[in-house]
Amino acid sequence: AQKVTQAQTEISVVEKEDVTLDCVYETRDTTYYLFWYKQPPSGELVFLIRRNSFDEQNEISGRYSWNFQKSTSSFNFTITASQVVDSAVYFCALSGGGYGNKLVFGAGTILRVKS
Amino acid sequence: EPEVTQTPSHQVTQMGQEVILRCVPISNHLYFYWYRQILGQKVEFLVSFYNNEISEKSEIFDDQFSVERPDGSNFTLKIRSTKLEDSAMYFCASRPGQGITNTEAFFGQGTRLTVV
Repeated sequence: AQKVTQAQTEISVVEKEDVTLDCVYETRDTTYYLFWYKQPPSGELVFLIRRNSFDEQNEISGRYSWNFQKSTSSFNFTITASQVVDSAVYFCALSGGGYGNKLVFGAGTILRVKS
Repeated sequence: EPEVTQTPSHQVTQMGQEVILRCVPISNHLYFYWYRQILGQKVEFLVSFYNNEISEKSEIFDDQFSVERPDGSNFTLKIRSTKLEDSAMYFCASRPGQGITNTEAFFGQGTRLTVV
């Protein structure tokens, strides 16, 4: 069975602080995909990133960066110099390697960025 | 940019009534999904649909639920006799098919269902 754990229920930071959101996953699949989604107060799910299990390169996109480590089954997400607009719920998700496999979501981390 | 469209954005219904939630997936996608998010909780998988049939369903997706793709564009979720605990945000999603590198699921903006 697949499982995603986001141990941090809620994080509060002051604007311009860096913040890391943790994600630990479990799967028996040898090929799988990991995702991060953002859910702002308006409620929609906004795709942020996808990583393949065979690509452990870290990725940076502007203020966002992701650290994928298969050895620890983790896929952590860091926001550098956080802004108030980053306040949202962030979900980590996992899917198997098949084309149509469902996403299994973690419980989400509420990020509050205060000015 | 193509997007998944859901209607209505908010539906209020009385307990025991039937509701149909509608979705228009991205046109060249082959895999379709419904997910549910009870307020303040995580996003849960309900059902996946491929080639005009259910490919996988969760324990939540019992006999009260059904899905249909009646006309090649719309993808609907029907709840036959709503219960209070069906109140949630329902998300439709779609993914491309074979021949394309497995990509993210594209989510609609959600339908908030309130059962009173």
